[in-house]
Amino acid sequence: QKEVEQNSGPLSVPEGAIASLNCTYSDRGSQSFFWYRQYSGKSPELIMSIYSNGDKEDGRFTAQLNKASQYVSLLIRDSQPSDSATYLCAFGGRDSSYKLIFGSGTRLLVRP
Amino acid sequence: ETGVTQTPRHLVMGMTNKKSLKCEQHLGHNAMYWYKQSAKKPLELMFVYSLEERVENNSVPSRFSPECPNSSHLFLHLHTLQPEDSALYLCASSRSGSPLHFGNGTRLTVT
Repeated sequence: QKEVEQNSGPLSVPEGAIASLNCTYSDRGSQSFFWYRQYSGKSPELIMSIYSNGDKEDGRFTAQLNKASQYVSLLIRDSQPSDSATYLCAFGGRDSSYKLIFGSGTRLLVRP
Repeated sequence: ETGVTQTPRHLVMGMTNKKSLKCEQHLGHNAMYWYKQSAKKPLELMFVYSLEERVENNSVPSRFSPECPNSSHLFLHLHTLQPEDSALYLCASSRSGSPLHFGNGTRLTVT
């Protein structure tokens, strides 16, 4: 079983719609969870972090964490073409707070 | 100046060459990392340095050798690489438990 599972996509949504990105992880002891955005040819940039169950909102982005189900999601409201990128989820492994385990990413395409 | 700076941005090297990648962070973080990103694969953690302690992924070949002279600088020394080592090499830094901040990466091509 992979440590982090993400659908590779592409996920295609029309401009203005809600994009929903999902991620499951295997380590029940994980305490920190992150979403990174990576444009083609660029390095990942942090867009959301979440540490406790429930929802966390930041502008058009909402991260949702369910530790019992080992599931984290990212909602992007009012999607824009500039949101088209690959979205990586990552979690802090149980054995070291310094290591992040990444998924392979979901490619999002927002159609004008 | 950006928080995490990597040089060079692009590198082409032959299999018999020796080269080094450099990373510098200006964020006051206490941990630095090397990640490898290959096409269609997850980011792969290669090495972590925290408080001068080194943690490594045991699957990383010995042709990759890290060096961390202080908390702000990190190097990755490369020698006798293989074509399959061609990838984007990302440096990152963080404080304990906090998110990683990535540099712009070095695109490495081994011919």
